[in-house]
Amino acid sequence: GAVVSQHPSWVICKSGTSVKIECRSLDFQATTMFWYRQFPKQSLMLMATSNEGSKATYEQGVEKDKFLINHASLTLSTLTVTSAHPEDSSFYICSVEAPRRGNQPQHFGDGTRLSIL
Amino acid sequence: AQKITQTQPGMFVQEKEAVTLDCTYDTSDPSYGLFWYKQPSSGEMIFLIYQGSYDQQNATEGRYSLNFQKARKSANLVISASQLGDSAMYFCAMREGDSYTGNQFYFGTGTSLTVIP
Repeated sequence: GAVVSQHPSWVICKSGTSVKIECRSLDFQATTMFWYRQFPKQSLMLMATSNEGSKATYEQGVEKDKFLINHASLTLSTLTVTSAHPEDSSFYICSVEAPRRGNQPQHFGDGTRLSIL
Repeated sequence: AQKITQTQPGMFVQEKEAVTLDCTYDTSDPSYGLFWYKQPSSGEMIFLIYQGSYDQQNATEGRYSLNFQKARKSANLVISASQLGDSAMYFCAMREGDSYTGNQFYFGTGTSLTVIP
């Protein structure tokens, strides 16, 4: 079964709207989650590392005021795209760091397709 | 320098034939992990196979095998007996550090595989 649940799968909204994406760890407690962004036919780009109970670590070039990350519990991290504009349209994927890492240290959600009109 | 390089933007293979997807990596860390993921058009990231830097044997998982050539820093994915359902994007990824200290993934740009009936 799924290890990570990401919702919603699709979002279409008007420019200026704030959109919240949820990433839930279903099988284990996750102190660390990751948020990626993917443009069509391109690779995954790490946006930020979400740490439970502390501020997220953003990658260079990612606006933290634009992409708000909250990791308030060991099973839930949220990404809020504030005042979204068409250029924010993209595919967003979260991943959860497995507790024992092993040969599959990250488990990915199914992604969220965000379209801003 | 790119951490992960995939030089084949697109590949075609006849159904039931084998195909090799290339991946080279760059790291000075003696401990690292290499991963391959499949991303169908629906977007989810499907874990295929893992190779640790200290593993003596090439990893295999069903029809997937990883041709690990450490001196050349290559980790090519071999898919045997291709099926139509194998058509997807394939990403090579690396984690630097061991399974307890490293957690960030570096992704390649991906290879789009099309299986021809």
